[in-house]
Amino acid sequence: ESQLVESGGTLVQPGGSLRLTCAASGFPFSNYAMTWVRQVPGKGLECVAYMITTSTVHYSDSVKGRFTISRDNAQNSLFLDMNGLRADDTALYYCATGVLVGSFDSWGQGTLVTVSS
Amino acid sequence: IVLTQSPGTLSFSPGERATLHCRASQSVGSYLAWYQQKPGLAPRLLIYDSTNRASGIPARFRGSGSGTDFTLTVTSLEPEDFAVYYCQQRHIWPWTFGQGSKVEVK
Repeated sequence: ESQLVESGGTLVQPGGSLRLTCAASGFPFSNYAMTWVRQVPGKGLECVAYMITTSTVHYSDSVKGRFTISRDNAQNSLFLDMNGLRADDTALYYCATGVLVGSFDSWGQGTLVTVSS
Repeated sequence: IVLTQSPGTLSFSPGERATLHCRASQSVGSYLAWYQQKPGLAPRLLIYDSTNRASGIPARFRGSGSGTDFTLTVTSLEPEDFAVYYCQQRHIWPWTFGQGSKVEVK
């Protein structure tokens, strides 16, 4: 059974930086596209970045130029480096994946990022 | 691509049939999924590519539609089905979600 576990979320000041990590297990990680999805508590869902390989990376306009997605296939880990954090980046960040690219049958439990002074 | 779900909130009794709608601002082909989310939990995939039930999803969940108009039907609501439902397209990046429809107990 596939499992995704996010970590790294915390309280950070506006303009600060943070790295989120997603540890994957139970499936052939290197073969799967991985996506970061965020959700403001009580609100909707937004895909912010996805990656298949280092040459296939996409970002939403809201994070482009500030966030970087990467992966370590040897460690079965996905990362999200977040710079220039703003209050509107406050959200629960999930990593998600699935057999079909862009369809998410596996989710982590989420890690909460709070941007506030 | 903007996905608009309707209605925002639906009230039903257990055993009733629920029909949720999702309209896309442009065609997404059949690349539309439905998710269920309960408080404090991650979303759960119900339907992918418009009509296909995900693994372990009961047959009472049915998806239909193509192009810009899609429907999720729950043929007979069980107590555990009261939740928020989201549609999501994977046709064009950025993949987008609808704003959600809440199915609540009448």
